Amino acid sequence: DTGVSQDPRHKITKRGQNVTFRCDPISEHNRLYWYRQTLGQGPEFLTYFQNEAQLEKSRLLSDRFSAERPKGSFSTLEIQRTEQGDSAMYLCASSGRSGISGNTIYFGEGSWLTVV
Amino acid sequence: AQKITQTQPGMFVQEKEAVTLDCTYDTSDPSYGLFWYKQPSSGEMIFLIYQGSYDQQNATEGRYSLNFQKARKSANLVISASQLGDSAMYFCAMREGVAGNNRKLIWGLGTSLAVNP
Repeated sequence: DTGVSQDPRHKITKRGQNVTFRCDPISEHNRLYWYRQTLGQGPEFLTYFQNEAQLEKSRLLSDRFSAERPKGSFSTLEIQRTEQGDSAMYLCASSGRSGISGNTIYFGEGSWLTVV
Repeated sequence: AQKITQTQPGMFVQEKEAVTLDCTYDTSDPSYGLFWYKQPSSGEMIFLIYQGSYDQQNATEGRYSLNFQKARKSANLVISASQLGDSAMYFCAMREGVAGNNRKLIWGLGTSLAVNP
């Protein structure tokens, strides 16, 4: 499968615990995005990487959230001291440099987080 | 401010018929891109079709076509010959700027489509 993959697909955690999600983008894509989606809403932008550089970060991303893309390939999104309001689906997406690959942003299947 | 509006919370269509899902947008940037995605109950966001602001022709991808009316700032998705598997949530999204400066997408609230047998 050469699409965007995310792991884990589902995570249930207790309030106050830390969680980490991993995203493997399409191999030739240099751009990687994280979004968050709650029920009944469209996705909300969290952060964006071009290669290993984090170029944009939403104000939604509190200090408890951190994202990395150390080698410009896979990315991790960590949430520290989880709160019930963090319960959502976390979507990762990637896109290429230009042309059709640059215009098309492909998403993974998402990682569902439930904080109890 | 950039904004995407989808005014139809839910739509019904009979199998094999065509359906149009509405999307209007607002931006002051002359360069932008418009996207449609399908999200089934499993949660995956599936790319359907893309239209660039400078594209002369309306985009088409199989049974999907985008009715792009730039002056009216609308980018409606037309699904022809609906199938039961088309039942899902459909999102319209916009990216400001050229593709080489890919940044965040702005999303509408979505339209839930139900295809009746």
